[in-house]
Amino acid sequence: GNSVTQMEGPVTLSEEAFLTINCTYTATGYPSLFWYVQYPGEGLQLLLKATKADDKGSNKGFEATYRKETTSFHLEKGSVQVSDSAVYFCALSGVQGAQKLVFGQGTRLTINP
Amino acid sequence: NAGVTQTPKFQVLKTGQSMTLQCAQDMNHNSMYWYRQDPGMGLRLIYYSASEGTTDKGEVPNGYNVSRLNKREFSLRLESAAPSQTSVYFCASRLQGSLAKNIQYFGAGTRLSVL
Repeated sequence: GNSVTQMEGPVTLSEEAFLTINCTYTATGYPSLFWYVQYPGEGLQLLLKATKADDKGSNKGFEATYRKETTSFHLEKGSVQVSDSAVYFCALSGVQGAQKLVFGQGTRLTINP
Repeated sequence: NAGVTQTPKFQVLKTGQSMTLQCAQDMNHNSMYWYRQDPGMGLRLIYYSASEGTTDKGEVPNGYNVSRLNKREFSLRLESAAPSQTSVYFCASRLQGSLAKNIQYFGAGTRLSVL
């Protein structure tokens, strides 16, 4: 079945550092890939997405590229801010039927000033 | 811009009690979902409703029931709560169709403790 594996956390960085959170997946066919972010005390919000191979999703300075050859969708940001502190979830969705989301376990990111 | 609204936000139950978590969306979405979030395990799908009038089991349905009351509302019921059901519960909805690009929209969550 479909599955998502994320980099273990927690991750702690200093402000303006470079961020990478690794995500790899196992899926049949050509899933859509997502990064969701959960700020403290809130629900999940879509951060970015990619629907086919070599697509690059981007939002708020974050980027991730859909790499079918390595089954990966790593999240990157060149210069993190304190306000980026949150839990980040990688997820995939099949293209048929109800298109259920399968989530990774989440990575807690803390940015220190 | 209400989006997906969940009630209550917090609840404490004793083992064996029952309760219903409510979820409503005002985006005219076809599909709705219930997830639970546990530390180190991400979100796991409990039940979903692909469209009004249909419901299906997800990954962890045991101990839960759902009702798709109408297009807007999708409730989750715990008939006899157990400590293993202590979790944060999220409702989500999605608009079907290619333009929707599979994006799910989430509520703020219900934090449930079963003692």
